[in-house]
Amino acid sequence: AQSVTQLDSQVPVFEEAPVELRCNYSSSVSVYLFWYVQYPNQGLQLLLKYLSGSTLVESINGFEAEFNKSQTSFHLRKPSVHISDTAEYFCAVRPTGNQFYFGTGTSLTVIP
Amino acid sequence: NAGVTQTPKFRILKIGQSMTLQCTQDMNHNYMYWYRQDPGMGLKLIYYSVGAGITDKGEVPNGYNVSRSTTEDFPLRLELAAPSQTSVYFCASGPPGAYEQYFGPGTRLTVT
Repeated sequence: AQSVTQLDSQVPVFEEAPVELRCNYSSSVSVYLFWYVQYPNQGLQLLLKYLSGSTLVESINGFEAEFNKSQTSFHLRKPSVHISDTAEYFCAVRPTGNQFYFGTGTSLTVIP
Repeated sequence: NAGVTQTPKFRILKIGQSMTLQCTQDMNHNYMYWYRQDPGMGLKLIYYSVGAGITDKGEVPNGYNVSRSTTEDFPLRLELAAPSQTSVYFCASGPPGAYEQYFGPGTRLTVT
């Protein structure tokens, strides 16, 4: 089975500082990659996705993630965070088939 | 367009009781999923469906059952509730190809 590793369970960062949330996955075969965000007491919302093409993908609110096939990674970055970015972030992988596999999540706390 | 709706929002069950968690989507999505979310564990897939009349097991199906008689509805049945089933349950749906998922707001279930 596929495994997804998010090494950092909690990431505190000051407002307007850059942040990187790390995600590694186990499969070396073709996969689709996703980042989801979860605000308190809500469901998950898709932040961005990599299906094919350019290895750098961006979201509408300033996040970006880069697919690195050789390192089987899909790290999420933002150059300057806001208080409103405080949330739980989940990396997910969909290998061939219909199942998605999620990491254990990273809690991002933006400090004023 | 309500998206994915789940009922109830909260429920407390006694050990051995049964219940059905309801999930409905109005986006005409073929794919539907049930996940459970436990602290520090991320999301684990319980069951999924690629269309009406078709269901399949995910990573953690034991103790649960599902049915998919219509495109819109995908109920999750707990027959004999156990404390290990205390969790937050999320339903999700996705368009053909399952490149992404849309999540409901979740059901918080406690079994005592």
